[in-house]
Amino acid sequence: NAGVMQNPRHLVRRRGQEARLRCSPMKGHSHVYWYRQLPEEGLKFMVYLQKENIIDESGMPKERFSAEFPKEGPSILRIQQVVRGDSAAYFCASSPVEGVNTEAFFGQGTRLTVV
Amino acid sequence: DAKTTQPNSMESNEEEPVHLPCNHSTISGTDYIHWYRQLPSQGPEYVIHGLTSNVNNRMASLAIAEDRKSSTLILHRATLRDAAVYYCILREGAQKLVFGQGTRLTINP
Repeated sequence: NAGVMQNPRHLVRRRGQEARLRCSPMKGHSHVYWYRQLPEEGLKFMVYLQKENIIDESGMPKERFSAEFPKEGPSILRIQQVVRGDSAAYFCASSPVEGVNTEAFFGQGTRLTVV
Repeated sequence: DAKTTQPNSMESNEEEPVHLPCNHSTISGTDYIHWYRQLPSQGPEYVIHGLTSNVNNRMASLAIAEDRKSSTLILHRATLRDAAVYYCILREGAQKLVFGQGTRLTINP
């Protein structure tokens, strides 16, 4: 059973371009979470999705950021018109079922650099 | 979100036990206590979690105070590979894990 797969591992974008980050959860997991980690800072929650639904987007910036988790395929975090401040590591996690008695499994992250 | 308090950093020696404390005085009856760690340049990794009773797994042990207002993660025999930032998190019904600053653990050879 492969772990949470994120790609690409490294992404370089020029200011104003779009960044698309992909996350394939573990097999059988239907809950996906996205986190952002700025250099030398902690992990900040962005969004929680279940298949085809956004459950909690309280950590998502109001503009330029969007996330989806379609019925088929990976979850996508999309950043439009990237700025230098978007440079960070973006981590995805997945869980199998709803409830507090389950652990979350994290991917290795996508490191976005905006030049 | 319920809050936890951890020391910013701790240091220990290789092959010795390490006790990482966490205070969570506002914990609710349904909060589980989760521990994750993040090694340099990697994603967070699940360590252990529990509700009321002490828990053991291959990585660590979790000792939970009787009043549940504090807990301790125990690494029985630290190795250099255990050097990481350790996060103590209360997981509520909202499902998201809210990470604090954690404890940066340094292991001396």
